Amino acid sequence: KQEVTQIPAALSVPEGENLVLNCSFTDSAIYNLQWFRQDPGKGLTSLLLIQSSQREQTSGRLNASLDKSSGRSTLYIAASQPGDSATYLCAVLGTGNQFYFGTGTSLTVIP
Amino acid sequence: NAGVMQNPRHLVRRRGQEARLRCSPMKGHSHVYWYRQLPEEGLKFMVYLQKENIIDESGMPKERFSAEFPKEGPSILRIQQVVRGDSAAYFCASSTAVNTEAFFGQGTRLTVV
Repeated sequence: KQEVTQIPAALSVPEGENLVLNCSFTDSAIYNLQWFRQDPGKGLTSLLLIQSSQREQTSGRLNASLDKSSGRSTLYIAASQPGDSATYLCAVLGTGNQFYFGTGTSLTVIP
Repeated sequence: NAGVMQNPRHLVRRRGQEARLRCSPMKGHSHVYWYRQLPEEGLKFMVYLQKENIIDESGMPKERFSAEFPKEGPSILRIQQVVRGDSAAYFCASSTAVNTEAFFGQGTRLTVV
């Protein structure tokens, strides 16, 4: 069964700092990996989607990488801002057509 | 193009009552997924539906829970005889096809009192 782990569980950084969030998964047989953002009491906002054949995706200050063979993905956030404060979730789409989610990294960017 | 719409946003039910959660997928999306987020836990898959068909319900509790996605209208997640342990946030997602980007709704927060 696929298991997704996110490290660290919580992270606090000063504004302007670059940071990396980590995601690992146990079964490399995935279709894609998606990073989401969740604000308290809100839904999930899709940030980046990486297909299994891709190595990375970029959107603005965000860059996500995927190393399927080692079961790892990273989300890089450049020049962090207080508005980036949220929980970041990693989800892998497996052969069962269902997402397996990590428990998230709670990010706080201090002004 | 409106996003995935879920209603109600908040729902309070007494133990033993029924809860009905609605999800309207994004326009053009025929694949719907339901997930549950228990307090302090990650999102867990419940069921995957296409129009009029349940494709995968491996994450659904065997009793009291059911889901449908009729030809017309929203997808419905129905919980009969709710118990305190059903209190959670229920999220719906939709996509155009299998293995494509999924978009999530704002969720329905169910509280059972």
